Amino acid sequence: GESVGLHLPTLSVQEGDNSIINCAYSNSASDYFIWYKQESGKGPQFIIDIRSNMDKRQGQRVTVLLNKTVKHLSLQIAATQPGDSAVYFCAEKGGAQKLVFGQGTRLTINP
Amino acid sequence: EPEVTQTPSHQVTQMGQEVILRCVPISNHLYFYWYRQILGQKVEFLVSFYNNEISEKSEIFDDQFSVERPDGSNFTLKIRSTKLEDSAMYFCASSFTGTGGAGYGYTFGSGTRLTVV
Repeated sequence: GESVGLHLPTLSVQEGDNSIINCAYSNSASDYFIWYKQESGKGPQFIIDIRSNMDKRQGQRVTVLLNKTVKHLSLQIAATQPGDSAVYFCAEKGGAQKLVFGQGTRLTINP
Repeated sequence: EPEVTQTPSHQVTQMGQEVILRCVPISNHLYFYWYRQILGQKVEFLVSFYNNEISEKSEIFDDQFSVERPDGSNFTLKIRSTKLEDSAMYFCASSFTGTGGAGYGYTFGSGTRLTVV
């Protein structure tokens, strides 16, 4: 069945350092992936997406890398700030309209 | 920035009662969704709705659940005869196109925390 998983449940980094959050997916036919940020008490917030015909996509302070060979997705956050503390989910297009979410990684920024 | 609005933010109900969770999607969006998140777990898809009908649903979305777009702005999730295991955060989302389409803009609301006692 479809599944999207994360390598690490928690990640702590120093403020100003770069963060890398990883995600493995199982459906080799998936053609669209998204990273979401979820702060406490809020809904998932779109960060960045990538289609399967790309290997890399950059946004503001964020980069998503897609390795289709090993079915791996990563989110890089540059110069992390206290406001980056949240749970990060990867999600893949699992059907015509639905998203399949991974378990989530809690990112903590240490001052 | 346009947002998806959900009410109430927290709902407590007794087991066996019916609840209706309400959502106002972004006004020019055409696709509407409900997801749920049990505490500490991942977000799970429940149902998608397009052109006034369900377009896709998960195994979770059984006969206990129903969705409706009663007018041009609201989108509701009804849970009949609630069970303890229905306690979760329920998120509404909307998008202009289907998942992965151009102008995707899949936007989630802040959720309704449902507690069944």
